[in-house]
Amino acid sequence: QVQLQESGPGLVKPSETLSLTCTVSGGSISSYYWSWIRQPAGKGLEWIGRIYTSGSTNYNPSLKSRVTMSVDTSKNQFSLKLSSVTAADTAVYYCARDNGWLAHAFDIWGQGTMVTVSS
Amino acid sequence: DIQMTQSPSSLSASVGDRVTITCRASQGISNYLAWYQQKPGKVPKLLIYAASTLQSGVPSRFSGSGSGTDFTLTISSLQPEDVATYYCQKYNSAPQDFTFGPGTKVDIK
Repeated sequence: QVQLQESGPGLVKPSETLSLTCTVSGGSISSYYWSWIRQPAGKGLEWIGRIYTSGSTNYNPSLKSRVTMSVDTSKNQFSLKLSSVTAADTAVYYCARDNGWLAHAFDIWGQGTMVTVSS
Repeated sequence: DIQMTQSPSSLSASVGDRVTITCRASQGISNYLAWYQQKPGKVPKLLIYAASTLQSGVPSRFSGSGSGTDFTLTISSLQPEDVATYYCQKYNSAPQDFTFGPGTKVDIK
């Protein structure tokens, strides 16, 4: 079955750019939207943005100025870049599949990767 | 911008109790409403999509209902393994974005 795995640095310095990649295995990345969602410790879930396999994107308006997403269908991967990070960006970052057949619910999630912003 | 609220923010109930969690949208969102269960230290798990459709493999004691602005998640008979935080999530088609509710923490009394 389809599985997702996040990868990237666990520690990022303030003002730098956070970069994460999600690898899709067990199935094709094509014909789905793929999202990034984050969760600060002890807090709720925040949708960051999504990308379709065509490269079309939608971003959370509150983060839009700092977010860039990309997709590499040849590698079955999609990526997140979040610029000018601060301590408020410290969180567990999840990648997830946005399934349009399920009324745009997130039916498959990665295990999550903890990213700490600190000098 | 459509806001999502959940009530209660937390609850404590006995094993076997019927538990109801409410999710309210600040304006109508049709049926683009999903519910997730997140156990401590674990990844969120999809329970319900399209407001009332049970995701494959989810126990039938979970059910969802509602439309427009008011939605509910019901656990018909609370089990110890249901201790978790439950989140609602809406999808907005214009503009295309997603919002999660703040969550409801469910404990066993």
